[in-house]
Amino acid sequence: RKEVEQDPGPFNVPEGATVAFNCTYSNSASQSFFWYRQDCRKEPKLLMSVYSSGNEDGRFTAQLNRASQYISLLIRDSKLSDSATYLCAVNLGPGANNLFFGTGTRLTVIP
Amino acid sequence: DVKVTQSSRYLVKRTGEKVFLECVQDMDHENMFWYRQDPGLGLRLIYFSYDVKMKEKGDIPEGYSVSREKKERFSLILESASTNQTSMYLCASAGGLNIQYFGAGTRLSVL
Repeated sequence: RKEVEQDPGPFNVPEGATVAFNCTYSNSASQSFFWYRQDCRKEPKLLMSVYSSGNEDGRFTAQLNRASQYISLLIRDSKLSDSATYLCAVNLGPGANNLFFGTGTRLTVIP
Repeated sequence: DVKVTQSSRYLVKRTGEKVFLECVQDMDHENMFWYRQDPGLGLRLIYFSYDVKMKEKGDIPEGYSVSREKKERFSLILESASTNQTSMYLCASAGGLNIQYFGAGTRLSVL
């Protein structure tokens, strides 16, 4: 079983739509969770950290469900500029320095 | 802003050549990482380092070595490049919060 799994998509949604991605992780001891955004032929960039209480940044909301071992990313009012690949990242556990990345979910927002 | 600089954006090498990929970060981060990214496979960790002169194997270290002589610099070495090492190579650095910041990547082609 992979450490981190994501639906690769693609998700094709119209502008203004709400879209949600999930990412499941296998290690119940994981403590650090992140969503990254990667544009075509560019490096991944941190979109947001995911806290136990959930967090929101404008149109983006990230949540953590420890019981079911997944994190989610919700994008409201999708913009064309949201088109990208979204990677989730999870660490192995307390004190672990490295992250496991999902293979990414590709989102295309259509005019 | 965190800056992670990779020495080359594009490299073309011949089979059997020794290849050096350099990465420098300016945030005094303890941890540095080398990944390769291939379509459908996502980010795969090659090596990481949590301190000067320290290194740990990642998931796919075969055919690679690394060097960390100074805190800010982490080098990836392909001892004898092969065509299956054609890939996008990404360097990252991270501080205490586990957030990884990536360089722009080096697209390596081995002919």
